[in-house]
Amino acid sequence: ETGVTQTPRHLVMGMTNKKSLKCEQHLGHNAMYWYKQSAKKPLELMFVYNFKEQTENNSVPSRFSPECPNSSHLFLHLHTLQPEDSALYLCASSQDREGLETQYFGPGTRLLVL
Amino acid sequence: GQNIDQPTEMTATEGAIVQINCTYQTSGFNGLFWYQQHAGEAPTFLSYNVLDGLEEKGRFSSFLSRSKGYRYLLLKELQMKDSASYLCAVRDGDYKLSFGAGTTVTVRA
Repeated sequence: ETGVTQTPRHLVMGMTNKKSLKCEQHLGHNAMYWYKQSAKKPLELMFVYNFKEQTENNSVPSRFSPECPNSSHLFLHLHTLQPEDSALYLCASSQDREGLETQYFGPGTRLLVL
Repeated sequence: GQNIDQPTEMTATEGAIVQINCTYQTSGFNGLFWYQQHAGEAPTFLSYNVLDGLEEKGRFSSFLSRSKGYRYLLLKELQMKDSASYLCAVRDGDYKLSFGAGTTVTVRA
């Protein structure tokens, strides 16, 4: 049973909408991640937070805006998305950014942009 | 960016053995991970290799030999429930984790 939860599990939005994805981890970890998973493509790392500080932003468009209020919660705010942003968005956490611990994934939010 | 390559699809029958190879080109190396992902579900951790050798976890084993260029996940005594995507991931010298596109394994009766 994963200790990482994500809501909503499914989301359909228009290109002019604003929505937020939520991730919560119950594992006491200090690092949290947002990934994008498109069909037949590798997981793409979007953002990394370590001890609430953003440590990586992999050239993600500004229409995606992350927020990490504390080590247990991570949000991804979405606005004016494009149809090509439709994908599975996965949140993950690990003990810390550079440790030897693996990452634990949430179930993901399946996003469809119309 | 980092390049992680693995076969796209593999098919096998119940009880058979499947070997999924992973090749990579990264700046530095701090470990190779394998994840299993069933359709519509989150990836789950299977194994981790950082030193050369074999890691066994039940019917699944992962092997690493950096000097000989062998990196693979071995699935033994396949069961229908093993039908899933298997993701290879490599942590580079900066501890950044990069994923391959995944190998979809289909187990047939």
